Amino acid sequence: DAGVIQSPRHEVTEMGQEVTLRCKPISGHNSLFWYRQTMMRGLELLIYFNNNVPIDDSGMPEDRFSAKMPNASFSTLKIQPSEPRDSAVYFCASSFVAVYEQYFGPGTRLTVT
Amino acid sequence: GQQVMQIPQYQHVQEGEDFTTYCNSSTTLSNIQWYKQRPGGHPVFLIQLVKSGEVKKQKRLTFQFGEAKKNSSLHITATQTTDVGTYFCAGKAGNNRKLIWGLGTSLAVNP
Repeated sequence: DAGVIQSPRHEVTEMGQEVTLRCKPISGHNSLFWYRQTMMRGLELLIYFNNNVPIDDSGMPEDRFSAKMPNASFSTLKIQPSEPRDSAVYFCASSFVAVYEQYFGPGTRLTVT
Repeated sequence: GQQVMQIPQYQHVQEGEDFTTYCNSSTTLSNIQWYKQRPGGHPVFLIQLVKSGEVKKQKRLTFQFGEAKKNSSLHITATQTTDVGTYFCAGKAGNNRKLIWGLGTSLAVNP
């Protein structure tokens, strides 16, 4: 199994630009999670999906952030417009059931200048 | 709201010394998971504990779940430089369908 796949691995963009992060979960996993990690705030859960349906988006910082899961094998996290404070590593993770062990992707390191 | 606290936040040890990180929840947990994140890497699942008082071992790592299922610990015997990283606990409480994550304990090992 290829594991959770994320793209791009690195993204550098200017403030105000739209950023789209992509994730392909492990086949057969029903739950997908988006996390953000910074030195200041640690690992934060942004949103999670169960069977492609958003269940809890209470961690999404503001309306500039949106996430979709159009099918079981693909999810996106979009930031529009991006700001320097959005700079972080964004992880996608998947699990068979929401409270089972989670498998993380390699992350996308986002830098907004 | 439900919280999971981890202590210490950072720990420096000499290679060969033991290391312990503690995880405390404000509510009773139905299970707790431990993850390790190497520097520059992503969190990797280590183990899950479910039963009250449960103890599990993985080589030099010993994981415990408290009798009241509100706390847990990870103990590493005779640390090695390969143990360097951040150790996270994450627990499920009640009917909450998601894991509540601790902030992690970062371990540095001096050779």
